This record gives sequence, C-alpha cells and structure tokens, in this order.
Amino acid sequence: DTAVSQTPKYLVTQMGNDKSIKCEQNLGHDTMYWYKQDSKKFLKIMFSYNNKELIINETVPNRFSPKSPDKAHLNLHINSLELGDSAVYFCASTTGTGDEKLFFGSGTQLSVL
Amino acid sequence: SQQGEEDPQALSIQEGENATMNCSYKTSINNLQWYRQNSGRGLVHLILIRSNEREKHSGRLRVTLDTSKKSSSLLITASRAADTASYFCATDSTGGFKTIFGAGTRLFVKA
Repeated sequence: DTAVSQTPKYLVTQMGNDKSIKCEQNLGHDTMYWYKQDSKKFLKIMFSYNNKELIINETVPNRFSPKSPDKAHLNLHINSLELGDSAVYFCASTTGTGDEKLFFGSGTQLSVL
Repeated sequence: SQQGEEDPQALSIQEGENATMNCSYKTSINNLQWYRQNSGRGLVHLILIRSNEREKHSGRLRVTLDTSKKSSSLLITASRAADTASYFCATDSTGGFKTIFGAGTRLFVKA
C-alpha cells in the first residue's frame, strides 16, 4: 500500500479555473504538509498541519486553501488559477514526535494554460 | 526563505567514484536531513543527523555535520548509475513542523 498518496498525478487546466488536489496518508502520522516544487527543482513549504490544525502558512496567497478533514487527509484547493501556479505539488507527512523524517507523495504536476 | 544551499548544483562522475555534496544553512537547527529525488518522483528520506551528532553512516552514505560552520556534507561511496538523482538537504528548527529544503544537487553517475 502506498504510504502517502496524492491525486491526481497530472492536472492541466485553464487560467482562472478552480482545482483541488487530494492527499491521504495511511501511516498514522500527526503532521502533514504541502510543498511546491518549481521548474528549477526548488522545494518550498506552503502549509503544515498538526492534528488537523494549521501550524505553518508560509505567506501563500489566499487563493490557496488547505483543508484537513481528519489527521489522515490534507487537501489543497486553489481558486482562480494563474500561470505562475504551474509547478509540482507534493504532500508529505511525519510523525511529529521527534523523528522528523518526512514521507512524500509522488507529486501532482499542475499545468496552467 | 531558503535555509539550505547545496554545493555543487550539479555533479557528473563515473560509476565507482565517490560523490560529495555539501550543504550550508543559516540558522540553528534541531536536525539536518538528506533526501533523494529521482526524476518525476517524490523525495525519499536517506539519513537524518541531529544537531548533537557529528557523523553518521548508512550503507554507502556518510553524513557529517559541523554546527559551528553551519554546514553538512553527504558522501556517497562507490557510486552506481542508479544513484543518479537530485539530492536535497533539509533542516528543521521547529520540532517537526517546518522542514526547509535547499535547492538540491543534481548527481549524474555515468556507467
């Protein structure tokens, strides 16, 4: 079974549309993250959640709204998509108990046309 | 803001050679980690070294940490073509809520 799974793997959409990316982890972890990787492979943290509560919001535009319905899920909704939103988005999770090793999903490649 | 900076940005070596990648960071940390990313895949954790440790080994990997210089190195010995990937260092100073990644080193191992 995949430990951290995200859907969809690819997302192609027009500017101005609204889209969602879903993430689920079956590791029993308390902390989940969204990262954005740009075309130069630079990986930037966007959000982190611990036990469904938002802990970190790294000055991400409010067009991005994460939602954690439970500890195992962290979804990302993006409104009014812009060209600059094109990137690979990674979900990750960790125990948050001192062993801070992150487990990553396989990524969602978002292309905004 | 970006915490870690890897050096070199890209490295090309022959199979069997050793590969050394360096990482520098700016603020105090709880731990430093190294991850590998194969093309089109997610990141995979390789090794974690805590701020009170100086060296750690895992198989063909050797990691050092110098907190006085705010730097770390990752050595891959006897490299293989399968080691071709991007390698990232990552630091955390918050107890697990904000792991910050560097820009990565692209390693290419020629068979």
